[in-house]
Amino acid sequence: SQTIHQWPATLVQPVGSPLSLECTVEGTSNPNLYWYRQAAGRGLQLLFYSVGIGQISSEVPQNLSASRPQDRQFILSSKKLLLSDSGFYLCAWAGANYGYTFGSGTRLTVV
Amino acid sequence: AQTVTQSQPEMSVQEAETVTLSCTYDTSENNYYLFWYKQPPSRQMILVIRQEAYKQQNATENRFSVNFQKAAKSFSLKISDSQLGDTAMYFCAFYSNYQLIWGAGTKLIIKP
Repeated sequence: SQTIHQWPATLVQPVGSPLSLECTVEGTSNPNLYWYRQAAGRGLQLLFYSVGIGQISSEVPQNLSASRPQDRQFILSSKKLLLSDSGFYLCAWAGANYGYTFGSGTRLTVV
Repeated sequence: AQTVTQSQPEMSVQEAETVTLSCTYDTSENNYYLFWYKQPPSRQMILVIRQEAYKQQNATENRFSVNFQKAAKSFSLKISDSQLGDTAMYFCAFYSNYQLIWGAGTKLIIKP
């Protein structure tokens, strides 16, 4: 069966520090992968998606970047975090019939 | 542009009642997929139900069913015999061009 792992679950980082969130998928190959951000009580904002290794599409210009070094690995990064980067980050992959499966999320607080 | 609209920011019902959450969307495509996702307080995003636009029959999953009106571009979710564990944010979503287009969500509270 397919599973998705996302870590860490919680992260508190100072302003100006770097960021690396990782997401891996098991049990499937060449998945479409996604990074979303969600503000408290709000909907999901698509940040990046990838349809293959090294292929990254950015939806929102910002302080973040994404990479896909391996088929089932998707990384969200920042060189210098801003206070506005705080939020809940979700990784997802698109399965059969385009239904998404989500990771458990990372709650990022920039202080 | 394709959009998804959920007009009910918040709803509350008593346990065991039936509740319907509304969703409308706008698209010029003919073949697409629609989804309802649930996000409980744990914030884990869970797929509740999906509907293929080419299927006329409404999808059902246990206590969850949809009323899909393609011509009206409406996709409502009905929850029967609601339970306390149904308390969550519910998001309607439409799949297009490798992406899900999301509604703003409806906060559903089930009262004991």
